[in-house]
Amino acid sequence: DGGITQSPKYLFRKEGQNVTLSCEQNLNHDAMYWYRQDPGQGLRLIYYSQIVNDFQKGDIAEGYSVSREKKESFPLTVTSAQKNPTAFYLCASSLSPQTYEQYFGPGTRLTVT
Amino acid sequence: LAKTTQPISMDSYEGQEVNITCSHNNIATNDYITWYQQFPSQGPRFIIQGYKTKVTNEVASLFIPADRKSSTLSLPRVSLSDTAVYYCLVVAYSGAGSYQLTFGKGTKLSVIP
Repeated sequence: DGGITQSPKYLFRKEGQNVTLSCEQNLNHDAMYWYRQDPGQGLRLIYYSQIVNDFQKGDIAEGYSVSREKKESFPLTVTSAQKNPTAFYLCASSLSPQTYEQYFGPGTRLTVT
Repeated sequence: LAKTTQPISMDSYEGQEVNITCSHNNIATNDYITWYQQFPSQGPRFIIQGYKTKVTNEVASLFIPADRKSSTLSLPRVSLSDTAVYYCLVVAYSGAGSYQLTFGKGTKLSVIP
């Protein structure tokens, strides 16, 4: 089955800890994305990557970091510098950013207390 | 830089046609507009994409006027299962191999029996 997976579905952390969210795809897509979703706010782009070993900041990159060492994987680290990390995080992939639809994973709900 | 605006919510009776408009200022000729559907606690799902005039697929139509300052998603004969949040996305090339991806804040469609 081709698709995009995120794990875990729910994640709980204490304030001050870094946490890494997993995103894997087997669709052979070049581009991958991370979004943050808050109630009533829609989706906001954190980072995206068009090819391996390259990524670019989105609108709200502060307090987050990513890596793209393999085409299939695009993990997101929420650092302790992120002031309000509790949110629903969505990963997506596509053949390219411009003209192809994005396929989304099921999301990870992160709660930091 | 593109900014997108959508109505916050809409109600419709079953069997009616629903039109949801997204306003997007300052988009370039080749910038694509894409629409997604999202159910609670799930990732968004692709509906339709286009960059000019009219596009139709098996579930929806997308109308983009000549001035490209807005686009309209048309859902024919909605059913209760179409109750969801609908997002427009504008992908704009911002130069030097970079893109700006801007989601609207979403329109919550409620279909009434």
